[in-house]
Amino acid sequence: AAGVIQSPRHLIKEKRETATLKCYPIPRHDTVYWYQQGPGQDPQFLISFYEKMQSDKGSIPDRFSAQQFSDYHSELNMSSLELGDSALYFCASSLEGGDTEAFFGQGTRLTVV
Amino acid sequence: DQQVKQNSPSLSVQEGRISILNCDYTNSMFDYFLWYKKYPAEGPTFLISISSIKDKNEDGRFTVFLNKSAKHLSLHIVPSQPGDSAVYFCAASLNAGGTSYGKLTFGQGTILTVHP
Repeated sequence: AAGVIQSPRHLIKEKRETATLKCYPIPRHDTVYWYQQGPGQDPQFLISFYEKMQSDKGSIPDRFSAQQFSDYHSELNMSSLELGDSALYFCASSLEGGDTEAFFGQGTRLTVV
Repeated sequence: DQQVKQNSPSLSVQEGRISILNCDYTNSMFDYFLWYKKYPAEGPTFLISISSIKDKNEDGRFTVFLNKSAKHLSLHIVPSQPGDSAVYFCAASLNAGGTSYGKLTFGQGTILTVHP
């Protein structure tokens, strides 16, 4: 069965650079969630989208922005990167309006040097 | 403020025995609870969930128990297998009558090691 696809799997950026993470949800899933997991920490909810509209917002820094496109894929844009942004970034998708749980992608490991 | 807590960082169990992972929460508004399993360098994999209107949900070797009055849930794995060795995250959702279970508050995780 198709799963949530995230790209790239690994990314190395320098301080103050920008990064774009992509997420392709499970087919027919219309809701996307972004999470950040720092070293030794639990995943923290960043932001979610339903039908291309932001549906909820968590602890996402102002330097980050995200959007969901007409094909339901989502991109997380991160600017002015800081060392503390180094983390695993997970995307999850679900089917809004249905009794389904969120399914996670394998994550993008971002390292800021 | 950690609203979902897994107080045991690690648990070691012999193969064939029962593994019991515990989770406590503080927000009484949470109405949906999930357990995820995570291997290194992979995303969390959904295991089992329970709605706040139930006190038990079973799926094969996995059973989740919910005690609302104590704000406590537990995951039982029986019999435990070496392949169950992973980090287990408890997560809670404030669904509030909606249908979105993806905005989750996670616990810190418990590393389960099942010895052959």
